[in-house]
Amino acid sequence: AQSVAQPEDQVNVAEGNPLTVKCTYSVSGNPYLFWYVQYPNRGLQFLLKYITGDNLVKGSYGFEAEFNKSQTSFHLKKPSALVSDSALYFCAVRDFQGAQKLVFGQGTRLTINP
Amino acid sequence: EAGVTQSPTHLIKTRGQQATLRCSPISGHTSVYWYQQALGLGLQFLLWYDEGEERNRGNFPPRFSGRQFPNYSSELNVNALELEDSALYLCASSLVGSRETQYFGPGTRLLVL
Repeated sequence: AQSVAQPEDQVNVAEGNPLTVKCTYSVSGNPYLFWYVQYPNRGLQFLLKYITGDNLVKGSYGFEAEFNKSQTSFHLKKPSALVSDSALYFCAVRDFQGAQKLVFGQGTRLTINP
Repeated sequence: EAGVTQSPTHLIKTRGQQATLRCSPISGHTSVYWYQQALGLGLQFLLWYDEGEERNRGNFPPRFSGRQFPNYSSELNVNALELEDSALYLCASSLVGSRETQYFGPGTRLLVL
């Protein structure tokens, strides 16, 4: 079964510093990977996805993610964090076994300190 | 272009009652997915509809059901509500295909008392 893991429940970064939110995956076959962000009392907003091609994927709001097949990772990054980036971040993988559903990690709470 | 919309935003019910949640997908999207986000349980897949048919369901009891209408909007029904059904219910829509992105609505927060 497809799965993703987000090893850190919480990440704290100072404003202006680079940020990384980690995600590792376990899949059979080629993974389709996604990052979403959730602000308080809101739904999920799509940030970026990896389907195939370049290992560095660029997304919304200055975020990017690096797909690393050998390390089975898909870490989310941003060169310079903003206080407004503070939110809950979810990594997800597409399940091909009949459901087409997304399988989510448990989420990482990102806090950017001014 | 309008995004995915859901109604109501909040719903308060008592144990044993029924709840009906509604979702309108992005124009042109035929697939609708329902997810439950409960405290401590993360995001769990509930149901997938495409072209009016239920294509798959997650590991939820039969009292969770729904349908998709000819205009591709969808309804989630939860019968015989239990306290643990309290959660944020998220609807997502997409074009057909495993490479397609699922876009989420703002959710309906259901509270069961």
